[in-house]
Amino acid sequence: EAGVAQSPRYKIIEKRQSVAFWCNPISGHATLYWYQQILGQGPKLLIQFQNNGVVDDSQLPKDRFSAERLKGVDSTLKIQPAKLEDSAVYLCASSHRGTSGQETQYFGPGTRLLVL
Amino acid sequence: AQKVTQAQTEISVVEKEDVTLDCVYETRDTTYYLFWYKQPPSGELVFLIRRNSFDEQNEISGRYSWNFQKSTSSFNFTITASQVVDSAVYFCALIPLDSNYQLIWGAGTKLIIKP
Repeated sequence: EAGVAQSPRYKIIEKRQSVAFWCNPISGHATLYWYQQILGQGPKLLIQFQNNGVVDDSQLPKDRFSAERLKGVDSTLKIQPAKLEDSAVYLCASSHRGTSGQETQYFGPGTRLLVL
Repeated sequence: AQKVTQAQTEISVVEKEDVTLDCVYETRDTTYYLFWYKQPPSGELVFLIRRNSFDEQNEISGRYSWNFQKSTSSFNFTITASQVVDSAVYFCALIPLDSNYQLIWGAGTKLIIKP
């Protein structure tokens, strides 16, 4: 079974430029998450989708970040305009809730963003 | 409060030593799930184990073992006969029942295995 796919793996941009990240979850996984992980810290949830609907985007800086999952499968995360403090690894995860209610998040390889 | 504490910021051991990573959690829920993830230098978070609150059986998988104790709210992770490839940051995480299945992460423990 294929894992979570993300692209690009690395991106270097200048501040005030825009950037987009793509994520394709594990087939059949209804829930998709975007995280930001700054070096030396744990992941921080940015947004959670259930199919094509947003469950929680309370920690997404909506003045510059946006995300969509139009067909309930793959998703894009955009930053416009980027700031220096956006330099981080952006992780995508997906999960499927079993009949017993148990759920495990599986992560993609991440996109390392450097804003200069 | 719902939180996960990994008090050990960094641990360094020599290869073949046993090492235990501590995880203490707090939750008001009686049903919850606990996780361990490994993040090697490549950056990908790798799922290691999920444990339900109603299942206190300890688990062993090869050189890895987990000790879940509800009485002390701990979910510790032991690596036996450590290897250089075990070097990584290890995260403990909690999903309380009423949380939209969102992970509450510990700060992580950086494990360095010296040859």
